[in-house]
Amino acid sequence: KQEVTQIPAALSVPEGENLVLNCSFTDSAIYNLQWFRQDPGKGLTSLLLIQSSQREQTSGRLNASLDKSSGRSTLYIAASQPGDSATYLCAVNDSNYQLIWGAGTKLIIKP
Amino acid sequence: NAGVTQTPKFRVLKTGQSMTLLCAQDMNHEYMYWYRQDPGMGLRLIHYSVGEGTTAKGEVPDGYNVSRLKKQNFLLGLESAAPSQTSVYFCASSTSTGNEQYFGPGTRLTVT
Repeated sequence: KQEVTQIPAALSVPEGENLVLNCSFTDSAIYNLQWFRQDPGKGLTSLLLIQSSQREQTSGRLNASLDKSSGRSTLYIAASQPGDSATYLCAVNDSNYQLIWGAGTKLIIKP
Repeated sequence: NAGVTQTPKFRVLKTGQSMTLLCAQDMNHEYMYWYRQDPGMGLRLIHYSVGEGTTAKGEVPDGYNVSRLKKQNFLLGLESAAPSQTSVYFCASSTSTGNEQYFGPGTRLTVT
């Protein structure tokens, strides 16, 4: 059974720092992997989607990488800003085309 | 476009009461999903639909029923609410499975 883990559960860094969020999964047979952002009391916003054949995707200050063989993905945020404060969730689309979710990393960027 | 909307935003039920959550999308998506999110856990799929008139069970379907009578709407029903169903419920839609999912703002349900 696919399991998705995100470590750490919470992270606090000063504004301006570059940071990396981690996501690991137990079964490498995935269709794609997605990173989402969740703001308090709001829904989820898709940030990046990496197909299983891809190694990375970039959007602005965000870069997501995927290493299927090791069961890992990272979300790199460059030059962090207070507005980046949110919970970041990763989800893998498994062989049944269902999203399996991590519990998320709560990120706080201190001004 | 409103995207994905959910009604209501908040609800408090007593054990044994019933209710229906409504999800609507205006993107002409075929696929729709209902998830629940509990503290410290990832989202879990309750039920999903691959098109009008179809429904299928997800990871945690017990205690819930769904209907997709119109392509744009996906209803989640609780026939006899239990405290274990206290959660935040999210609806999502996508053009097809494996594609990007678009989420509604969520419904916070408390069962006392």
